[in-house]
Amino acid sequence: EDQVTQSPEALRLQEGESSSLNCSYTVSGLRGLFWYRQDPGKGPEFLFTLYSAGEEKEKERLKATLTKKESFLHITAPKPEDSATYLCAVQAGNTGKLIFGQGTTLQVKP
Amino acid sequence: DAGVIQSPRHEVTEMGQEVTLRCKPISGHDYLFWYRQTMMRGLELLIYFNNNVPIDDSGMPEDRFSAKMPNASFSTLKIQPSEPRDSAVYFCASSLGYEAFFGQGTRLTVV
Repeated sequence: EDQVTQSPEALRLQEGESSSLNCSYTVSGLRGLFWYRQDPGKGPEFLFTLYSAGEEKEKERLKATLTKKESFLHITAPKPEDSATYLCAVQAGNTGKLIFGQGTTLQVKP
Repeated sequence: DAGVIQSPRHEVTEMGQEVTLRCKPISGHDYLFWYRQTMMRGLELLIYFNNNVPIDDSGMPEDRFSAKMPNASFSTLKIQPSEPRDSAVYFCASSLGYEAFFGQGTRLTVV
């Protein structure tokens, strides 16, 4: 069964304190792995797509990486406005189906 | 494009009443997804369509839930009869087969 597990569930950082979020997955034939950001009261907002092991994508203070079993979202020198829930999702085989993890809620304190 | 549009944004209804949630996907997208989000279970996929055809409805909790997509620009999720445990945020999303784009959600409260 396709499964996505994110850790930690919650993370508190001081402004400027870099860290990483983890997304472990088991899927029959990975078609793509996706990272989303969700702010309270809003829908998930798309950040990155990764397709193959070794691939990396960057956007401002965020960098996403992918291996055959997991993905990391690295946050460098975070700011309070980076506070949000970060969701990971996988797409298997030749389907368009997206399966999400439970998310990591990040709080960055000034 | 205005993105995925959902209505209503908030719905409060009494137990036993019928509830209909609506979604307009991004023009040109051929996949449409309905998700439910709760604190306990996170984002659960209820059903998804490809080219207006339901592909996988294995996430629909029970027969009280039904979804339709009569054309490429409109979909509904209906709950009849509604129960307090259906209270959640329901999201619609659309895609071209890869990353999906979400609406703002409908917060449903069943009292």
